Amino acid sequence: EAGVAQSPRYKIIEKRQSVAFWCNPISGHATLYWYQQILGQGPKLLIQFQNNGVVDDSQLPKDRFSAERLKGVDSTLKIQPAKLEDSAVYLCASSLTGWHSPLHFGNGTRLTVT
Amino acid sequence: KQEVTQIPAALSVPEGENLVLNCSFTDSAIYNLQWFRQDPGKGLTSLLLIQSSQREQTSGRLNASLDKSSGRSTLYIAASQPGDSATYLCASWNSGYSTLTFGKGTMLLVSP
Repeated sequence: EAGVAQSPRYKIIEKRQSVAFWCNPISGHATLYWYQQILGQGPKLLIQFQNNGVVDDSQLPKDRFSAERLKGVDSTLKIQPAKLEDSAVYLCASSLTGWHSPLHFGNGTRLTVT
Repeated sequence: KQEVTQIPAALSVPEGENLVLNCSFTDSAIYNLQWFRQDPGKGLTSLLLIQSSQREQTSGRLNASLDKSSGRSTLYIAASQPGDSATYLCASWNSGYSTLTFGKGTMLLVSP
């Protein structure tokens, strides 16, 4: 079974620039999550999709972050404009049903904002 | 709001030691509790998942226990090896929450 794929692995940008991350979940997984993990912290949920719909985006800074899930499969997370405090690892995860089913994580994208 | 705390933040042990990682949570109305491993530059790998009705789960040299009444979980690693060096995170899934709440993790270093 192929795992959760994320790209790019690393990205360095200057503040006020924009950036986009891509995630391809495990085939058949209905639920997709984007987490932000700041160095030394646990992952924090940014947004959760169930198929095409958003389940929870309460912690997504909507003035600069946006996300979409195309046709209930792939997803992109965008930051525009980036701030220094956005430097973190952005993790994508998927699960079969969402309701308490195990999460499978990708390797993440490490973003550095200078 | 659920808060998950992990102690210690970092741990260094010689190879062969048995060790215990601690996780505490404030809201005991959990559905399940999971332990993950994270290697540097990698995502999270699920190690053990304990349902709220269970007291413990075992996988190889790993044993995780859950005590909802005291708001605690422990991860026991037997006969530690250098390959166990990683950050270990616990996370709870609470009733009414859409996903997991993570602790900050314990960074483990096992030296040969």
